Amino acid sequence: DAGVIQSPRHEVTEMGQEVTLRCKPISGHNSLFWYRQTMMRGLELLIYFNNNVPIDDSGMPEDRFSAKMPNASFSTLKIQPSEPRDSAVYFCASSLAPTGTYEQYFGPGTRLTVT
Amino acid sequence: TQLLEQSPQFLSIQEGENLTVYCNSSSVFSSLQWYRQEPGEGPVLLVTVVTGGEVKKLKRLTFQFGDARKDSSLHITAAQPGDTGLYLCAGNSGYALNFGKGTSLLVTP
Repeated sequence: DAGVIQSPRHEVTEMGQEVTLRCKPISGHNSLFWYRQTMMRGLELLIYFNNNVPIDDSGMPEDRFSAKMPNASFSTLKIQPSEPRDSAVYFCASSLAPTGTYEQYFGPGTRLTVT
Repeated sequence: TQLLEQSPQFLSIQEGENLTVYCNSSSVFSSLQWYRQEPGEGPVLLVTVVTGGEVKKLKRLTFQFGDARKDSSLHITAAQPGDTGLYLCAGNSGYALNFGKGTSLLVTP
C-alpha cells in the first residue's frame, strides 16, 4: 500500500510568492495533520482535519497560512505571501481515528526555502 | 500544550555500545509513541506503549513506559550504524500528539 504522498519534495521561492503544498493521505484514514519542523522548535502541529473538516487550526501561525481538505484523498497547505521565516520542512500525516492510540503515519515532507 | 523533554539532545557513540535515551513530562498521557526519523524523511513509528510500566522490545530496542505514564525510555543494545537517526517521543492525549524535540543519535563504525 502507498504511504502518505507529499508534493513537491523541495520548493524554493522568493519572499512574497504564493506556495502550495500538497498531500494525499493513506487510503481509508480519516484524520489528516499538517506539521512544520525546524531545528529550533521541533515538530509543530499546524492544523488537524477529521473527516475532511478542520477541527483544530490553533497552530496555524498567522493569516498567511491556510489549509483545505476538499475530499478524503487530498489536502493543501497554502502560504501567501511567503516569508523567509517560513523556511522549514512541512510534513503531512494521516491516521485512523478515533482508534485507541492515534498512531500517525508521516509523508516524506516538503522542504521549503523562502529567499 | 503538554511539554515533552527528551535527553540527551545529541549522542555520538561507537558501534557495539549500549545507550538509553529519555522522554519526560509532567503530564499524564493515555499512550506514548516513539518514532525514528532519518535525514530527508518523515518520522516512522517504532512502537506505542499504553499501560504504565509496560515494556516492549523491537529487536535490539527496548521501550519502557513509566508507571505513572508521564515518562518513557528507549534502550538500544549493541548499537549499529543503521540506528543513526533522530528519535522522537510523542505523547497522546486525545487526537493530538505532542512531540519532544528528539535525540539525535550518531553511531559510527
